[in-house]
Amino acid sequence: DQQVKQNSPSLSVQEGRISILNCDYTNSMFDYFLWYKKYPAEGPTFLISISSIKDKNEDGRFTVFLNKSAKHLSLHIVPSQPGDSAVYFCAASPGTPGAGSYQLTFGKGTKLSVIP
Amino acid sequence: SQTIHQWPATLVQPVGSPLSLECTVEGTSNPNLYWYRQAAGRGLQLLFYSVGIGQISSEVPQNLSASRPQDRQFILSSKKLLLSDSGFYLCAWRDRGHNGYTFGSGTRLTVV
Repeated sequence: DQQVKQNSPSLSVQEGRISILNCDYTNSMFDYFLWYKKYPAEGPTFLISISSIKDKNEDGRFTVFLNKSAKHLSLHIVPSQPGDSAVYFCAASPGTPGAGSYQLTFGKGTKLSVIP
Repeated sequence: SQTIHQWPATLVQPVGSPLSLECTVEGTSNPNLYWYRQAAGRGLQLLFYSVGIGQISSEVPQNLSASRPQDRQFILSSKKLLLSDSGFYLCAWRDRGHNGYTFGSGTRLTVV
């Protein structure tokens, strides 16, 4: 059972335009969400996160939106740059970051290609 | 600052051979540690996690095992590799800075 779903395996966007990556989840216990960026042959790196008490979090060109009622979150990149080309993973946690067995559940990723 | 080291970067092993991948963390104590695998065309699959020395939890039954002989050392092993063990293996630690994981650089394992 896939609890975190990224239904678009790939996305192509023109440089300078907006990139929107989507993520859906099924577990209503999830209340902390993260986005990771991964280049080939490298480990994923943390990009941005959002807690369920918020519906938006912004960090420079990156904004994450959370719609709890729809169990949906999205990552917006504006403006998109060629260096943003990578695989983006959505991840979710059932909160309680201090818990000893804290775990993240990842989606399968979306490969973003930003065309110059 | 905290850093995570993972080696080797690439590995080609014959079917039936043993495996040992090592991960060490610096700059923190008693971290939660994780082993993930990314198989071709698939997402990140949690294999093992550890909350302390000698404490290992397995998420996916398979021919892999993990050990944590020291506080900041996490080892992934196999006695006999299968072709299906090929993939990109990632070690991670729980980064309380952003309440997520910080990943190592990964090991590309090809079983031939």
